[in-house]
Amino acid sequence: GENVEQHPSTLSVQEGDSAVIKCTYSDSASNYFPWYKQELGKRPQLIIDIRSNVGEKKDQRIAVTLNKTAKHFSLHITETQPEDSAVYFCAASKKSNFGNEKLTFGTGTRLTIIP
Amino acid sequence: DAGITQSPRYKITETGRQVTLMCHQTWSHSYMFWYRQDLGHGLRLIYYSAAADITDKGEVPDGYVVSRSKTENFPLTLESATRSQTSVYFCASESNAAGDREQYFGPGTRLTVT
Repeated sequence: GENVEQHPSTLSVQEGDSAVIKCTYSDSASNYFPWYKQELGKRPQLIIDIRSNVGEKKDQRIAVTLNKTAKHFSLHITETQPEDSAVYFCAASKKSNFGNEKLTFGTGTRLTIIP
Repeated sequence: DAGITQSPRYKITETGRQVTLMCHQTWSHSYMFWYRQDLGHGLRLIYYSAAADITDKGEVPDGYVVSRSKTENFPLTLESATRSQTSVYFCASESNAAGDREQYFGPGTRLTVT
């Protein structure tokens, strides 16, 4: 089955600096790569996603890049703010036989923004 | 966010007892999922369902049973709870609309097995 590795497990950055989280996946059939943000005690929420036919996607201060050949994708957060502090999960997915996504998650990165 | 709810939000049970976690969604999403979240493991898929009476195993199904008699409900049952099933459980749903691949998570149930 799919295996997703995520690094680093913890990351501290000064407010205003950039943060980068990296993930690798093993199954070349995976074609959808979402990133979820989970604040303490809350549910995971999708912040950005990318499909395998796209190399990069940006939404305001967050961007995701995908390298299909190397099977890795990354989350970039620029101009970090205190509210960016959370745990971030990457995932790799392909459709099941029923048509739904089958997500395999990384183990998470705890991002702390230092004021 | 009110579209997918879970109950109870917190549960303490004893080893060997049966416990059922409930999940309800109001979006009429076809697909529903159960994940468990443990430190160091991220989120792992337990079971998923494509429609009423259609379910399949995920990565960690042992010790769990699911059913889906109605589209909006997807209960998860631990038939004989073990301490290793202490975890936070998240239900999620996904639309079958073309182009919509996002999974929406419920608020979670924190289960402690003593």
